[in-house]
Amino acid sequence: AQKVTQAQTEISVVEKEDVTLDCVYETRDTTYYLFWYKQPPSGELVFLIRRNSFDEQNEISGRYSWNFQKSTSSFNFTITASQVVDSAVYFCALSGVSGGYNKLIFGAGTRLAVHP
Amino acid sequence: EAQVTQNPRYLITVTGKKLTVTCSQNMNHEYMSWYRQDPGLGLRQIYYSMNVEVTDKGDVPEGYKVSRKEKRNFPLILESPSPNQTSLYFCASGKGGGSTDTQYFGPGTRLTVL
Repeated sequence: AQKVTQAQTEISVVEKEDVTLDCVYETRDTTYYLFWYKQPPSGELVFLIRRNSFDEQNEISGRYSWNFQKSTSSFNFTITASQVVDSAVYFCALSGVSGGYNKLIFGAGTRLAVHP
Repeated sequence: EAQVTQNPRYLITVTGKKLTVTCSQNMNHEYMSWYRQDPGLGLRQIYYSMNVEVTDKGDVPEGYKVSRKEKRNFPLILESPSPNQTSLYFCASGKGGGSTDTQYFGPGTRLTVL
């Protein structure tokens, strides 16, 4: 079975702090895809990143960075120098052949509050 | 602008009154899907479509119907809504690789069934 665990329910930081959101996944598939989405208070789901299981290179996009480690089945997300606009719920998601490549398996989400 | 649109954004209705939530995408995507988001249960897939006239059940299809007569549209139909269908609904679309490709989500429809 496929599963995504985001153990941190809520995180609260002060602006300019760095923060890491954890994502641990379970799958028996050798080929799978991992995603991060952001859900700001307005409610929409905003795509952040997609990573396939064969690409373990870390990625940096501005203040955002992602650390993919197959050895620990983790795909963690770090925000550097956080800002109030980063306040949102962040979801990690998984897609693999076990799910027929037909759906995303979402984690429960981590609510990030960035205070001025 | 590439986008997924949903209508209505907010809806309050009563038990048993048929309703349709529309979803439309302008990216020529083959794959479309519906999810519902509930507190404590997260996001769960209702139905998906790999292409025109090809639809299949997701994890929570009971009480819902869909159709895919055109590539751009994927309406969600609640023939007899019940209070347990009160939820936040998202439509998503992606290229032809199913859920392996990036899915782009609509703004959501908040449905309340009294």
